[in-house]
Amino acid sequence: QLQLQESGPGLVKPSETLSLICTVSGDSLSSPSSYWGWIRQPPGKGLEWIATISHSGGTYYNPSLESRVSISGDTSNNQFSLRLSSVTAADTALYFCARQGGHKIFGVVPYWGQGTLVTVSS
Amino acid sequence: DIQMTQSPFTLSASVGDRVTITCRASQNINTWLAWYQQKPGKAPKLLIYKASTLESGVPSRFSGSGSGTEFTLTISSLQPDDFATYYCQRYNPFSLAFGQGTKVDFK
Repeated sequence: QLQLQESGPGLVKPSETLSLICTVSGDSLSSPSSYWGWIRQPPGKGLEWIATISHSGGTYYNPSLESRVSISGDTSNNQFSLRLSSVTAADTALYFCARQGGHKIFGVVPYWGQGTLVTVSS
Repeated sequence: DIQMTQSPFTLSASVGDRVTITCRASQNINTWLAWYQQKPGKAPKLLIYKASTLESGVPSRFSGSGSGTEFTLTISSLQPDDFATYYCQRYNPFSLAFGQGTKVDFK
């Protein structure tokens, strides 16, 4: 059974860098046709895709966040990470990690973590 | 960037009602569209992909249709477990975007 678990600080100061880790169990970051992504949801609002890393290490970013975002993978620990720099209150959100590539389609997201709330505040 | 617009924003309905949610894309996305259901405090759940293919385990009262720029999600007979927020999502290599969501609540 595939499981994803987000971890990281729940509170980040404005202008600092938000860092989150997603630990994967029940699947491998290197699984063929797999993609691993981050999606966020501000309180009371909709979903926003942030970034994705492929099984081969290719990276894809939301153009609106690309200048501040970095996604990376650690196959030895079966984890992938998100870094978002220069955060503001607008980055306060529930951050989900997810397994994309359902049915071998990049954008289909069948598996999600439970989400971790990150608040940006001084 | 291709924008996704859902309507209505909120939909009030009763158990047994037929419910239809519309999603429009600002450009042609063929059938590169998925639908998700989300309940408060939970992660979204995949319902439909490729505009009309039902994900395994999803009840057959859910159906999707459309191609190009206009899509619909239909619940043929609303059940108590279906009161939730629904999102459409377009995917085209290699980018994702979601609609703003449609909340289905009790009439």
